[in-house]
Parts: sequence; C-alpha cells; structure tokens
Amino acid sequence: EAQVTQNPRYLITVTGKKLTVTCSQNMNHEYMSWYRQDPGLGLRQIYYSMNVEVTDKGDVPEGYKVSRKEKRNFPLILESPSPNQTSLYFCASSFSGETQYFGPGTRLLVL
Amino acid sequence: SQQGEEDPQALSIQEGENATMNCSYKTSINNLQWYRQNSGRGLVHLILIRSNEREKHSGRLRVTLDTSKKSSSLLITASRTADTASYFCATDFGGATNKLIFGTGTLLAVQP
Repeated sequence: EAQVTQNPRYLITVTGKKLTVTCSQNMNHEYMSWYRQDPGLGLRQIYYSMNVEVTDKGDVPEGYKVSRKEKRNFPLILESPSPNQTSLYFCASSFSGETQYFGPGTRLLVL
Repeated sequence: SQQGEEDPQALSIQEGENATMNCSYKTSINNLQWYRQNSGRGLVHLILIRSNEREKHSGRLRVTLDTSKKSSSLLITASRTADTASYFCATDFGGATNKLIFGTGTLLAVQP
C-alpha cells in the first residue's frame, strides 16, 4: 500500500531534550516536506527536500533540522525543543511537486 | 500572511444538502488544490485545478477557479455524514520549493 508513515504518532517531552520524528514513504517520491499545524494558523512548511542530499528552509525553519540521506526517509530533528514547538506535525511527499501525500501526523507536546 | 483564506470558517448542513466552500488568495498561482482532514488526522488530496482551468469535477466534488478574482470554490453535492471534516485550499506557486500555502480551513459538519 502506497503510504507515508511517521513515528512516533504522539510524543511528550521536556524542554531541551533532543528528539527525532521519522518520516518514510514507499512511493519513490522525490519531493518531501515537513509542515506544522497550529490552531488558527493552518499548515506551515518547515523544511522541504527535492531529492537526496538536497534540502532547504520553508517558512518556519527555526529550531528544526532535517536530513535526506535516502530517498524514502526524511527525518525531522528538534535539537533543543521548546514549548512553542508544541504542535501537530505532518510529513508529505510528492512525485511532481504538485499533489502531496500526507502522513498521519505526529502530535508533540513540549513541557 | 497566508495565501489562502477559506470562507466560511464553519458550515453545518443536513445530509443530502450541498455544501459550498470558498477560497481566496492573493498572488498568481500555478495551481490550487483542495484537501480534506478528518479530526486531527492526515490531509487527503481531493482535487487539483490548474491556473488555466476554470472548472473541474471529481465524483460529487466540483471545483471552480476564477483567476481574475483570485478565488476558488469547492462544491460537495448530496452530502453525507462521512463528509464531516475540515477542508483546506492550498495554493501552489510552482517552482522548486514544493511548498503549498494552506488556508485555515472550513469545518464542515453534516448532520444526519
């Protein structure tokens, strides 16, 4: 089944404790993105990647890192999480850069 | 500021009725897409309309695009309770960023 998977789905952590949210797609898509969704603000792009080893900042990259060592994986790294990073995070992938396929989301709470 | 703004923010209708949601945006686009999100879950792509298209259909969905007014509408006909969800428009400028600019969404509730 074609899908985008994210892990973990739910995470509670404390300020400053490094964490990684994994994202994997099995559709051989070149494009991958991370978004965060906050009430009243919709979805905002954090980082994107056009292919292996090619990544760039989106609209809200501060406090996040990404890497794209393999085509299928695009992990999101929070080196030192802060409470303002409490959010619902979505990974997405696409073949042509148009229609995007979203993962199920990761709900993060930073205390 | 966000590119897409949906109207209304919330809509409640009876099963079988039609639901219309509107989206306005600010600058020229490559295409406009509509997504559905069920309560805190992942977004599901519904339909994409390109800037040179005016209307598109997919099942019970009808999307229109008016580039002169920078607006789009999504019509869901013969609604079902399973259509209850949030609906987002997303604008695509094209280019290499793979970025969609999402609006804040319309929450649709279809009552039995």
